[in-house]
Amino acid sequence: QSALTQPASVSGSPGQSITISCTGTSSDVGGYNFVSWFQQHPGKGPKLMIYDVTNRPSGVSNRFSGSKSGNTASLTISGLQAEDEADYYCSSYTSRRTGVFGGGTKLTVL
Amino acid sequence: EVQLVQSGAEVKKPGESLKISCKVSGYSFTNYWIAWVRQIPGKGLEWMGIIYPGDSDTRYSPSFQGQVTISADKSINTAYLQWSSLKASDTAMYYCTRRELYHPLRFDYWGQGTLVTVSS
Repeated sequence: QSALTQPASVSGSPGQSITISCTGTSSDVGGYNFVSWFQQHPGKGPKLMIYDVTNRPSGVSNRFSGSKSGNTASLTISGLQAEDEADYYCSSYTSRRTGVFGGGTKLTVL
Repeated sequence: EVQLVQSGAEVKKPGESLKISCKVSGYSFTNYWIAWVRQIPGKGLEWMGIIYPGDSDTRYSPSFQGQVTISADKSINTAYLQWSSLKASDTAMYYCTRRELYHPLRFDYWGQGTLVTVSS
């Protein structure tokens, strides 16, 4: 199965909002409401930010939100802060009953 | 406190075998799935496979089917990832992570990672 498609990079200024897209197929993103987003800072492990498309785990800022339309899921970060600068990965459940990641998006806070 | 503690870094030669571990504590091992994720240096995350320690139900991503073996020993709350014959292309960081039963991608706790280096 192919990786989900994410933009290689996005950027924004502090206080702004940005959105990262994640495009798959009807066999993954479009077929299930099981999309997660992970944040990874350099040299660190991944951190769960969103699961089941829209849900935030306890402790994750409400500046992070998720949505989905058709075969494309999105992560929106509002009120951008310097600490949000990191790599972001989407992941979807698939028809093979496993998961698949996106290629990752590098977020730069200008 | 939930913890997933992985075994230490490994340096191996091509063709050698290897088994790395992920020991969990702070929760019931048989109530969550454990997945393995690969990250080649400077690259993205890749799904490898997942195991349910309760009954050892195991699923592999197509790219890793036949290339690795995932197992678990519920008597010692430990999951494993093993190779029978390593290649240089297996050089990567490997993470274990737990998943809730009814949320297929709610990977809320992660191990610290095990760096595997394969070089002649």
